Amino acid sequence: DAMVIQNPRYQVTQFGKPVTLSCSQTLNHNVMYWYQQKSSQAPKLLFHYYDKDFNNEADTPDNFQSRRPNTSFCFLDIRSPGLGDAAMYLCATSPLLRHNTDTQYFGPGTRLTVL
Amino acid sequence: ELKVEQNPLFLSMQEGKNYTIYCNYSTTSDRLYWYRQDPGKSLESLFVLLSNGAVKQEGRLMASLDTKARLSTLHITAAVHDLSATYFCAVDIMDYGGSQGNLIFGKGTKLSVKP
Repeated sequence: DAMVIQNPRYQVTQFGKPVTLSCSQTLNHNVMYWYQQKSSQAPKLLFHYYDKDFNNEADTPDNFQSRRPNTSFCFLDIRSPGLGDAAMYLCATSPLLRHNTDTQYFGPGTRLTVL
Repeated sequence: ELKVEQNPLFLSMQEGKNYTIYCNYSTTSDRLYWYRQDPGKSLESLFVLLSNGAVKQEGRLMASLDTKARLSTLHITAAVHDLSATYFCAVDIMDYGGSQGNLIFGKGTKLSVKP
């Protein structure tokens, strides 16, 4: 089945220790998104790619970076995680030209804990 | 400032009762989505609403969209325990600032259905 896959599902890191979260998709969608969702809050868009065109949200901290080496994969790098970065990180995809039933398709998420 | 406001934020219902969740948004948009999120899980797409007057139904849930009033509703009919989850509406600000497909989420409505 076509899907959005995130690894790992749970990640524990130490304060200040870089961490990388990964997302892959078999939907062949042009657009990939990274969201941060803190407990009991709505998802917040960090950045997204249209193919290789990177779009950063204005309030995304510099501590967060992203890479998209090819259509299928996208990575979220947190260079120096702080306690406030503990959250669920959601990857989503969508086609560039959307049909009536298209939405953003979310992966299962990676829950990040910062010690 | 773009705003998507949901109410209520918390809803405790008895099984068999009906209720409506409201989603107001402050910008023009051609798409509105409803998602469901179970605790610790990712977002599951429920409805994609594309035009004024759109109404979609799936089981005990029915969603509608009034683009003139910038209002969407999610109506729950004869609630059952399995509907307990957090429900998010999200507005697609497709042409805002040149970013296509950027979703702005409401804060979510945490629904608890009790016997």
